[in-house]
Formats: sequence, C-alpha cells, structure tokens
Amino acid sequence: SQQGEEDPQALSIQEGENATMNCSYKTSINNLQWYRQNSGRGLVHLILIRSNEREKHSGRLRVTLDTSKKSSSLLITASRAADTASYFCATDPDDGAQKLVFGQGTRLTINP
Amino acid sequence: KAGVTQTPRYLIKTRGQQVTLSCSPISGHRSVSWYQQTPGQGLQFLFEYFSETQRNKGNFPGRFSGRQFSNSRSEMNVSTLELGDSALYLCASSPWEQPNNSPLHFGNGTRLTVT
Repeated sequence: SQQGEEDPQALSIQEGENATMNCSYKTSINNLQWYRQNSGRGLVHLILIRSNEREKHSGRLRVTLDTSKKSSSLLITASRAADTASYFCATDPDDGAQKLVFGQGTRLTINP
Repeated sequence: KAGVTQTPRYLIKTRGQQVTLSCSPISGHRSVSWYQQTPGQGLQFLFEYFSETQRNKGNFPGRFSGRQFSNSRSEMNVSTLELGDSALYLCASSPWEQPNNSPLHFGNGTRLTVT
C-alpha cells in the first residue's frame, strides 16, 4: 500500500492563482520529497524537507511539514501554464524499509 | 552532465515474451533504482542496485529481475510477460545507496505495452 496519499487527486486553477497540494503519510519518516512529472515523462525532484524541518522554500515553491499530523503541503505561488503536471510526494520511512515510497499524485492543471 | 538515459523509449511485446530494459545513470552515480508506474497502482518500487549488488527489492514476482554492471549501467528483465506488465518503467539514479537525504534523478522511462 502507498505510504503517501495526496489530496486533492486533481486540481484545476487559473494562471496566476496559488495551488496547494497536500500529502499525508502513515509512519515516521526521515525526510519527505516532492516531485513533478510532466505527461509521459520522468519525475523531476522539486524539494526535500527533513523530519526536523518545518518549512522550506525554493523559488515559487513552499513546502511545510507537520510530523505530529504526518502531513505535508506543497504551495505553488503565482502559477503558470508550465506548472501543469502531476505532483508526487515521496517519503523515506523510518522503518528500515530502505526505499522511497511515492503517493498517488495530484494532477494539477493551470488554465490560461 | 548528461541525465539518466533509458532505452528503448517504447516497446510493444506479446504475452509470454521477455523484455530487457536499459538504464544509464548520471556519471558518478552508483545507485540505480527501478520503479513501475501504472494508472491503477501508481509508482511501485521494483529494486535498487548499488555497486553491482541488489540492495533492496519490492513486492514483485520473480519474473522481474535486474542487474548492474561495473560502469553502474543497469538492466531489468521481465520474463513471461503478462498483460498487467504494461506500464511506464522508470529508472532513477543517485550518488549513494538509497534512501538517503538526496534526491533521485529519473530518466524519461520506457513505455512497455503487452498485447
């Protein structure tokens, strides 16, 4: 079963608006990562946040992590058409499983 | 630096056949992980190779196998193909054994269709 679950499964907004995606997970983690995937392509790493961090920024991206609630959010500000893609969270569980576990993803569509 | 290269980009096979997919990691990266992506199951971990040794394996049948060469290039093989093996197979490389506090670098995948 998937460790991470993204919410919503799909999101459609107008260009220029902010987009927020959420990820919930089940076990304790070492870190959480966000990836973007354009249709039919590979995943591109966006940001990594460690379990002892609460917030991280990278350009128009802002990621928060709440380990007490086992959840993370990805905020994309001032969205652009090029941000249209699927976004996945991936967790590194602190259970010795030794693998990244991906969620099902959020499909984001930016309308011009 | 060149990115992760996967070949071929597309494959069409029939049930019962076998297939070999190739992955060349970023130069200097010693870890190669393989994932299967389908609409229903999402991204599922297949296995990871580091320094020519399989370090971890996902919950897939023995028909799925892989190997890594001394130059870190990796291949995965699927024997006795089934319709359910149709998927996008993604390879990802990393300088160190997974998991660690560094990102995975993905190739663009091989789209396998089994008919």
